[in-house]
Amino acid sequence: DTGVSQDPRHKITKRGQNVTFRCDPISEHNRLYWYRQTLGQGPEFLTYFQNEAQLEKSRLLSDRFSAERPKGSFSTLEIQRTEQGDSAMYLCASSPAGRTDTQYFGPGTRLTVL
Amino acid sequence: DAKTTQPPSMDCAEGRAANLPCNHSTISGNEYVYWYRQIHSQGPQYIIHGLKNNETNEMASLIITEDRKSSTLILPHATLRDTAVYYCIVRAGSGNTGKLIFGQGTTLQVKP
Repeated sequence: DTGVSQDPRHKITKRGQNVTFRCDPISEHNRLYWYRQTLGQGPEFLTYFQNEAQLEKSRLLSDRFSAERPKGSFSTLEIQRTEQGDSAMYLCASSPAGRTDTQYFGPGTRLTVL
Repeated sequence: DAKTTQPPSMDCAEGRAANLPCNHSTISGNEYVYWYRQIHSQGPQYIIHGLKNNETNEMASLIITEDRKSSTLILPHATLRDTAVYYCIVRAGSGNTGKLIFGQGTTLQVKP
């Protein structure tokens, strides 16, 4: 069990550029979550997938954000036309079927928008 | 999901027990109490959860009051590696999305 991995770990981009992050959950975990965390705050829920279906999206997920999990395994989170307010840590977590009790988090991708 | 209240920060001496309180006075009968922690520059880590009975695992103990309006996370022998932000989260059990709603947590500083 290698844990949840995220790539890249750090991303610096200029305002207006598009960025894409990848999350690889623990194998056979059917639920996958994305959270965003700004400095000094707790993580905020963005969206979650059960297998390949995106079942809930937060109001925080504006139309510039899109997430996919095409084969029910890895997931991508894309931000289009980045803004300075998008600077944050983007965290991915997964949990196994029937066990939402515990979520296993990855190390996060830190995005800095200049 | 019920709102929780935690002190913003606490100190603890290394080797002593760390007792982290959490108030959740509006908790519903089907809501569990979860604790996660986040060590600097890492993702959150699950610690323990419970409904109404006290729980213990290899990391910590969770004491829930009889009226379930508050709880205490106990780290029996705190080490420097336990320095982290600790989040108390109240959430319904089965049949929900599983999303976690984090507050600002308690920053625990373990000192030598």
